[in-house]
Amino acid sequence: QKEVEQDPGPLSVPEGAIVSLNCTYSNSAFQYFMWYRQYSRKGPELLMYTYSSGNKEDGRFTAQVDKSSKYISLFIRDSQPSDSATYLCAMRGGIQGAQKLVFGQGTRLTINP
Amino acid sequence: EPEVTQTPSHQVTQMGQEVILRCVPISNHLYFYWYRQILGQKVEFLVSFYNNEISEKSEIFDDQFSVERPDGSNFTLKIRSTKLEDSAMYFCASSDLGGVETQYFGPGTRLLVL
Repeated sequence: QKEVEQDPGPLSVPEGAIVSLNCTYSNSAFQYFMWYRQYSRKGPELLMYTYSSGNKEDGRFTAQVDKSSKYISLFIRDSQPSDSATYLCAMRGGIQGAQKLVFGQGTRLTINP
Repeated sequence: EPEVTQTPSHQVTQMGQEVILRCVPISNHLYFYWYRQILGQKVEFLVSFYNNEISEKSEIFDDQFSVERPDGSNFTLKIRSTKLEDSAMYFCASSDLGGVETQYFGPGTRLLVL
């Protein structure tokens, strides 16, 4: 089983739709969960990070972590064409020194005007 | 807003040649990282660096790779003898506190080994 699994898509939705992006993971040691946005041939840009389980909201973006199910989600409300990008989930352990991020494959998202 | 910068943006080299990729992390950050992304594949961790030494490395980071912080601002990745399979996008990242803060990535260096 892969450590982090993410449906690569592509996912195409109309402007204004609610988008749901998800990742599952197998390593119960993961404590920090991040979502990055990556435009073509650019570096990952941090969108949100969450520690342990729960929800976090930032504008149109909501991140959810369910550690019991080893499942994380990113919701985008009122999606805009500028949200079109590849979305990467990433996670790491909570042990000081265990700093490496483990990434999902990335989901390519297109928002159609 | 502070950002991580990387040079060059593109590098083409012949197999067997040495390359040095350069990064300037965010100025008050203490932890530095290199990741790579082969075209169409996941972003993969290579190495983390703190207090002038490697703190963690992956199995990819073999003897052909080395990292250095030659001065107070630069962080470099050296590949001693490049292979075709080293062709990838290489990202530098930095973070403030390794246990709490998350990592901010640079724009990447696209390395092509011919």
